[in-house]
Amino acid sequence: KQEVTQIPAALSVPEGENLVLNCSFTDSAIYNLQWFRQDPGKGLTSLLLIQSSQREQTSGRLNASLDKSSGRSTLYIAASQPGDSATYLCAVSSADVDQGGKLIFGQGTELSVKP
Amino acid sequence: DAGVIQSPRHEVTEMGQEVTLRCKPISGHDYLFWYRQTMMRGLELLIYFNNNVPIDDSGMPEDRFSAKMPNASFSTLKIQPSEPRDSAVYFCASRQQGLAFFGQGTRLTVV
Repeated sequence: KQEVTQIPAALSVPEGENLVLNCSFTDSAIYNLQWFRQDPGKGLTSLLLIQSSQREQTSGRLNASLDKSSGRSTLYIAASQPGDSATYLCAVSSADVDQGGKLIFGQGTELSVKP
Repeated sequence: DAGVIQSPRHEVTEMGQEVTLRCKPISGHDYLFWYRQTMMRGLELLIYFNNNVPIDDSGMPEDRFSAKMPNASFSTLKIQPSEPRDSAVYFCASRQQGLAFFGQGTRLTVV
């Protein structure tokens, strides 16, 4: 059974710092991995999608990497801003024959960027 | 496309009442997911569909919960009878070619 873990659960940094959020998964049989952002009281907003054949994806100040063999992904945020404060979640799409297409989430990392 | 549309946005109901949550996925998306989010348990997958067919409902907590997808444009999640512990935010998401999009959620409060 696929399990997704995110460490740390919460992170507080001063504005301008570069930071890394971690996501690990137990079963390397995945189609892809997606990073989301959730603001308080809101829905989830997609940030980046990495296909299983890719090693990284970039969007602006965000860079996500994927190491499928070790079951890890990282989300790198450059030059953090107070507006980046939110909960960041990763989700894997299972390629297991019994769980085809299942989208499984980690518990999220709550990020606070202090001015 | 307006994205994934959920209704209602907020629902307050009394224990024992039937509750129906609605979702309109993005046109052309072949997967639809229902999630429940609470502070204690985070985001839990309840059920998901592929091309309108339920694939895995093992996350549905009890027989009181049921979900349908009668066509590619509409899905419902029904709770009957509702209980206070069902209070949560319920999200619907649709996906195509790996990219998932979420609705704004329905905040359900059962009193």
